[in-house]
This record gives sequence, structure tokens and C-alpha cells, in this order.
Amino acid sequence: DADVTQTPRNRITKTGKRIMLECSQTKGHDRMYWYRQDPGLGLQLIYYSFDVKDINKGEISDGYSVSRQAQAKFSLSLESAIPNQTALYFCATSEGYEQFFGPGTRLTVL
Amino acid sequence: TQLLEQSPQFLSIQEGENLTVYCNSSSVFSSLQWYRQEPGEGPVLLVTVVTGGEVKKLKRLTFQFGDARKDSSLHITAAQPGDTGLYLCAGLDDQTGANNLFFGTGTRLTVIP
Repeated sequence: DADVTQTPRNRITKTGKRIMLECSQTKGHDRMYWYRQDPGLGLQLIYYSFDVKDINKGEISDGYSVSRQAQAKFSLSLESAIPNQTALYFCATSEGYEQFFGPGTRLTVL
Repeated sequence: TQLLEQSPQFLSIQEGENLTVYCNSSSVFSSLQWYRQEPGEGPVLLVTVVTGGEVKKLKRLTFQFGDARKDSSLHITAAQPGDTGLYLCAGLDDQTGANNLFFGTGTRLTVIP
């Protein structure tokens, strides 16, 4: 089984809808991250969490919120989706300097 | 924002050829990582370089960290179709204590059989 899982893998939604992306990990890591990937821009950090009580904004947090429900779970929400949030979203965990990524969620906002 | 520029953005070569991918920044990083990403998957770590001037080899891949720790290169010898993928460099900034990674813009490599 994969160590970092993301659901859903693909989602198409409409402008203004609320969307939640889920991430679960079995690696036992305290640190979790949400990234967004756009062509030609690499990965940009949205939010990160060092433990259940610690949430921090990344480079591009506007329009997003997160919840760390447990050490193993970190969810990303788009309260009111807009078309320019169409992208590939990755969750990652880390212990030390290496990050372990999930398979990604492809989100399309129409 | 700490920007890491990779070049070239796209590279298509024949099997057996050599290639070099560059990762440049105006910022100093405590270490630099290279990841490879295949379609439908997340990035996977290839190597971490820590010391300025450090060279690491991973089979046919050679990674170098610049003396000033602002840039890095990845050289692939005798490329194989299995090397096809998106290569991402990522710099670690530990000055704020957050130890976050700043990713480069990516180089998409295609190796033609």
C-alpha cells in the first residue's frame, strides 16, 4: 500500500463550489505539506503543518484553508473555487529533509 | 519568494546521448535536492547535496552543487528511455527554522529510443 494517499485523484467542479482534498499517510511523520503544481512553475507551497496543533501559510495560501485532523490526516479546502485554481495538487510528508509525495489530485474548476 | 530557475525547460534527445540540466538561483541554500516525477505520480527524491562544490554520482547521473551553494547541475550520461520524466531541483532554506523546500521550474526530459 502507498505511504501517502490522496483522494480524490481527479475532480471537476464549478466556480464557487467548496472543495476538499484529503491526504492520509502511514509513514508516522509529523510534518505534512500541500503543494500546487502548474506547468512551468514547479511546485508552490500552499500550507504546511509540523504537528496537529501547528498550521503555517506557505507561498500561495490565499483562497485555501487546511485542517490537520490527526497526525496522519491533512486536508486542503477551497472555500469558493475559481478557474485559476485549476492545477495538480500534491500532499507530502517529511522527517528530516526528504519529502515523500502522494500521487496528486488533478483539479479542474470550470 | 526564493526563485530557482531550471534550464532547459524542455529537452528531447536520442537514446545514448549525454545531457546536462541546470538549476540556478540568486539565493543561498543550505542544501539542494533533485527529484524526478513521472506522469500520474508525485516527485521522488534522487539525491541531496549539502556542501558547496559537492559532487554525487548515482549510476549514470552526476549531481553537482555550486561552490557558492546557489546553483546545481544534473548530468546524465548515455541517456535511456527510462530516464524520461520531469526533473525538479529544490533548495532547502533553514534560516527561518521551517526547513521548507523551494522548488525549481522543472525540466521535462524525453529520451527517444
